[in-house]
Amino acid sequence: EVQLVESGGGLVQPGRSLRLSCTGSGFTFGDYAMSWVRQAPGKGLEWVGFIRSKAYGGTTEYAASVKGRFTISRDDSKSIVYLQMNSLKTDDTAVFYCTRSFYYASSGYYNFFDYWGQGTLVTVSS
Amino acid sequence: DIVMTQSPDSLAVSLGERATINCKSSQSVLYSSNNKNYLAWYQQKPGQPPKLLIYWASTRESGVPDRFSGSGSGTDFTLTISSLQAEDVAVYYCQQYFRTPYSFGQGTRLEIK
Repeated sequence: EVQLVESGGGLVQPGRSLRLSCTGSGFTFGDYAMSWVRQAPGKGLEWVGFIRSKAYGGTTEYAASVKGRFTISRDDSKSIVYLQMNSLKTDDTAVFYCTRSFYYASSGYYNFFDYWGQGTLVTVSS
Repeated sequence: DIVMTQSPDSLAVSLGERATINCKSSQSVLYSSNNKNYLAWYQQKPGQPPKLLIYWASTRESGVPDRFSGSGSGTDFTLTISSLQAEDVAVYYCQQYFRTPYSFGQGTRLEIK
């Protein structure tokens, strides 16, 4: 059974940093691109960024709202994807979901999300 | 950036009746080289993460009831629930994965009339 479990959320002051982790199980983690999607309280979904699998260079892309402040990395040996968040703002308050991108062995990944974690709440407040 | 706009924002439908949600993208999400629309639909129930329902605009995810169907091409898409069940009460989102930044519609809240 595929599972994604996020951790690391909590209350943090504006301007500080926080690192989220997402541990995957039940699938060959290294084969998949992984994304982070967030949802502010009572609001809709916002794509944050993703990291390609090593087979596709392991490179990253980000939403403009977080580019330069957030960094996604992965440790395939531990089946973990990280979201390092620096210079946090009150607008970053949200539930952060870890997601798995769809993957065809024959043609690669596509960034719609077939599995989601339960999410971890990040609250940025003084 | 591609902007996704859903309509209506909320919808109340009687049990057993049809529910229709629309999604419009500001640019075409049809990729000509494979003739696929890079459009997905998700369902989010209160307190839960979103769940994938439909991808490639019309392909139902495994395990999704066949009362859910997706249609459309280019910039205009529709999610249809043919016979509304009580468990379908949720917020529904469309998402384009044609190019980054990937984007979601604002959501449509579906309730029972």
